[in-house]
Amino acid sequence: KAGVTQTPRYLIKTRGQQVTLSCSPISGHRSVSWYQQTPGQGLQFLFEYFSETQRNKGNFPGRFSGRQFSNSRSEMNVSTLELGDSALYLCASSPGRRPSLSAYEQYFGPGTRLTVT
Amino acid sequence: EDKVVQSPLSLVVHEGDTVTLNCSYEVTNFRSLLWYKQEKKAPTFLFMLTSSGIEKKSGRLSSILDKKELFSILNITATQTGDSAVYLCAVEAGGTSYGKLTFGQGTILTVHP
Repeated sequence: KAGVTQTPRYLIKTRGQQVTLSCSPISGHRSVSWYQQTPGQGLQFLFEYFSETQRNKGNFPGRFSGRQFSNSRSEMNVSTLELGDSALYLCASSPGRRPSLSAYEQYFGPGTRLTVT
Repeated sequence: EDKVVQSPLSLVVHEGDTVTLNCSYEVTNFRSLLWYKQEKKAPTFLFMLTSSGIEKKSGRLSSILDKKELFSILNITATQTGDSAVYLCAVEAGGTSYGKLTFGQGTILTVHP
């Protein structure tokens, strides 16, 4: 079974531009979570999508947004880029769940390394 | 706010040594605790623990969860240079906290030949 894929793998943008990152989850997985990883803050949760709906959101400004398509692929967008947005952006997929007692592990993609100059 | 603290932050050992990595947490409505290994790429899933006292094992790696004391340990026996990596602990809360893992700062493990 193919793993989580992310495109592009590397990206260089300038301040003020916007960027769109893409994530294709493992086949059959319906939940996609996005994380930002920086040396100072570690891994921080951005948001989660399930069946095209954002179900959870972390503490990031509104410049960070996302969406999910009917095939579970997800995109995240960052508008008006700032130098501090330079980071590794990771997405993770899991089978997802309706409200239930079950827990599911998350599997990470290779990430997109974004550099803002 | 959910919180995960790992210790030690870094560890240097020689091949063949046994190491124990610690993870303590505070989370509202605990659902699961996960361990990941991160080399110079994305985190690789190791274990998920949901029940207290049950040991998960995979080769030389094992992990156990204590829900009463709110901590978990990851043991690596007979370490190899390929075990050098950052080991991340994360917790997931239940309720409406869908898809959100709260990570610790990680333990950097260096294994010398």
